Amino acid sequence: RKEVEQDPGPFNVPEGATVAFNCTYSNSASQSFFWYRQDCRKEPKLLMSVYSSGNEDGRFTAQLNRASQYISLLIRDSKLSDSATYLCVVSYHSGYSTLTFGKGTMLLVSP
Amino acid sequence: NAGVTQTPKFQVLKTGQSMTLQCAQDMNHNSMYWYRQDPGMGLRLIYYSASEGTTDKGEVPNGYNVSRLNKREFSLRLESAAPSQTSVYFCASSEAVAGESHNNEQFFGPGTRLTVL
Repeated sequence: RKEVEQDPGPFNVPEGATVAFNCTYSNSASQSFFWYRQDCRKEPKLLMSVYSSGNEDGRFTAQLNRASQYISLLIRDSKLSDSATYLCVVSYHSGYSTLTFGKGTMLLVSP
Repeated sequence: NAGVTQTPKFQVLKTGQSMTLQCAQDMNHNSMYWYRQDPGMGLRLIYYSASEGTTDKGEVPNGYNVSRLNKREFSLRLESAAPSQTSVYFCASSEAVAGESHNNEQFFGPGTRLTVL
């Protein structure tokens, strides 16, 4: 069973566009949520954590809806350098927590 | 600080050969992890170690063994490689401690690209 589902992509957008990624998770007991970014043939890196109240980091906004078990990432004013795969990640805590990764959504920003 | 380092970067094996992937971190992290990443499958946890001297199975442990040699190093061994183990392997570490409920950011190494013929 797949616990974290993401839009398959790829998303092709022009520079300056706003793009939104969605993610759903199946384990209602999941307690921590993240977006990671992975450049082509590189390792994943944390982009931002996702909090219940929603949070923003510059051009990036993350939202969490626990009732719907839904996470989103909004990127405003897309840059060429935003081209990457975005991984939705959730964690369930029971004494010790591990991360469950979605398959990722590829974003391609063109000039 | 080098962060998380992995060796080798690339490896080609024949079916049945064995090898050990090495991972080290210099961030004094408690926890270390091994993942594999396959096209269309995302990252899947193979094994993890919540502290020096302890290891636990993840989602896909079959065909692998691990050793937490000390706090810095966590190795992954393939005893008899199979073509199904062709993948990109990532090691990661975090400050997470067993018994604590909050999760910590995981820092990844650059990966090992393994091909089994």
